[in-house]
Amino acid sequence: AQSVTQPDIHITVSEGASLELRCNYSYGATPYLFWYVQSPGQGLQLLLKYFSGDTLVQGIKGFEAEFKRSQSSFNLRKPSVHWSDAAEYFCAVGVSGGYNKLIFGAGTRLAVHP
Amino acid sequence: SAVISQKPSRDICQRGTSLTIQCQVDSQVTMMFWYRQQPGQSLTLIATANQGSEATYESGFVIDKFPISRPNLTFSTLTVSNMSPEDSSIYLCSVEGEDRETQYFGPGTRLLVL
Repeated sequence: AQSVTQPDIHITVSEGASLELRCNYSYGATPYLFWYVQSPGQGLQLLLKYFSGDTLVQGIKGFEAEFKRSQSSFNLRKPSVHWSDAAEYFCAVGVSGGYNKLIFGAGTRLAVHP
Repeated sequence: SAVISQKPSRDICQRGTSLTIQCQVDSQVTMMFWYRQQPGQSLTLIATANQGSEATYESGFVIDKFPISRPNLTFSTLTVSNMSPEDSSIYLCSVEGEDRETQYFGPGTRLLVL
């Protein structure tokens, strides 16, 4: 069965520090992979996506993610975190089967210390 | 990406009543989706709404509890029927992007059932 695992429930970093959020997926075919961010009281905003091609993808707000097929991973990174990055981050895999369905990980809540 | 709005943004309801949530998008889209996000949890797909056909429900969700309408290509409603406190959640609609794989989300409706 398809699944997405985000091993870290909470992460705290200092402002200006680098960030890596982990995501592992289980899917038999070539996955469509997504990272979304949910700020407090807000809906989900798409940060970036991977369908094919270059395994390092750039997104909005200075985020990037790297697809590693051998590790079934799609980790999200940012070189220097800003206080406004404090939010919940969701990794998702797109599953096709007549219609596109997104399966989400449990999310990682990011706190940023000044 | 499409601009998506939801009404109401939040509501407090009494158990046993029903609430209809509206989702409006500023462009015509084929597929619309309804998700539930229970407190502190990730997103779970309730159903997929394709204009002109019956909604397709995921395992664990039934039409009697969550009837959905999709009268045209820019609008959908989700009704939460005969509510109980366990229905307290954020309900989000999403729409399929032009690439038919990416989904874009509305701001969500925050529902509290007393």
